[in-house]
Amino acid sequence: DGGITQSPKYLFRKEGQNVTLSCEQNLNHDAMYWYRQDPGQGLRLIYYSQIVNDFQKGDIAEGYSVSREKKESFPLTVTSAQKNPTAFYLCASSTTRGNTEAFFGQGTRLTVV
Amino acid sequence: GENVEQHPSTLSVQEGDSAVIKCTYSDSASNYFPWYKQELGKRPQLIIDIRSNVGEKKDQRIAVTLNKTAKHFSLHITETQPEDSAVYFCAATGANNLFFGTGTRLTVIP
Repeated sequence: DGGITQSPKYLFRKEGQNVTLSCEQNLNHDAMYWYRQDPGQGLRLIYYSQIVNDFQKGDIAEGYSVSREKKESFPLTVTSAQKNPTAFYLCASSTTRGNTEAFFGQGTRLTVV
Repeated sequence: GENVEQHPSTLSVQEGDSAVIKCTYSDSASNYFPWYKQELGKRPQLIIDIRSNVGEKKDQRIAVTLNKTAKHFSLHITETQPEDSAVYFCAATGANNLFFGTGTRLTVIP
């Protein structure tokens, strides 16, 4: 069953802790993206990667880090430097650089407790 | 970079009426304009898209129009049904990335 999978669905973090959100795809897509979704603010780009071992900052990269060691995987780490991390995080992938359909994972809701 | 603006932020229509959502973009090099629907608690899914070499595209009750000169594109939903209630996002490619509007929450009143 092809698709893009995020885990976990819900994540709770204590202040000062780093947490890593998983994103895996078996669609053979080159491009992968991380978006943050807050109420009334749409989807804001955190990081994107067009190829293995390369990634670029999006509009709101501060306090986040990523890696792209494998084509299938693009994990996002929310660091303690992110001052307001509570949000819904969506991972997406596409075949080329943004001009084809993007497929989204089911999202991870992160809550700082 | 690309800037995508979307209006309105909320829209309520009676069942059977039409709904129109409008977006503008800033980067004249953008060439791909998809629309995504996100139901409550679910992932966004593509409902229709249009490329810059086409002015209009239709798929059953959904249509999208593009005006490259004015840099705006619109989503039209006719004969709305309660299951059309969701958040709709427009997007545009810019600098090889997909930039999203802020979303429109559509409510179809039975």
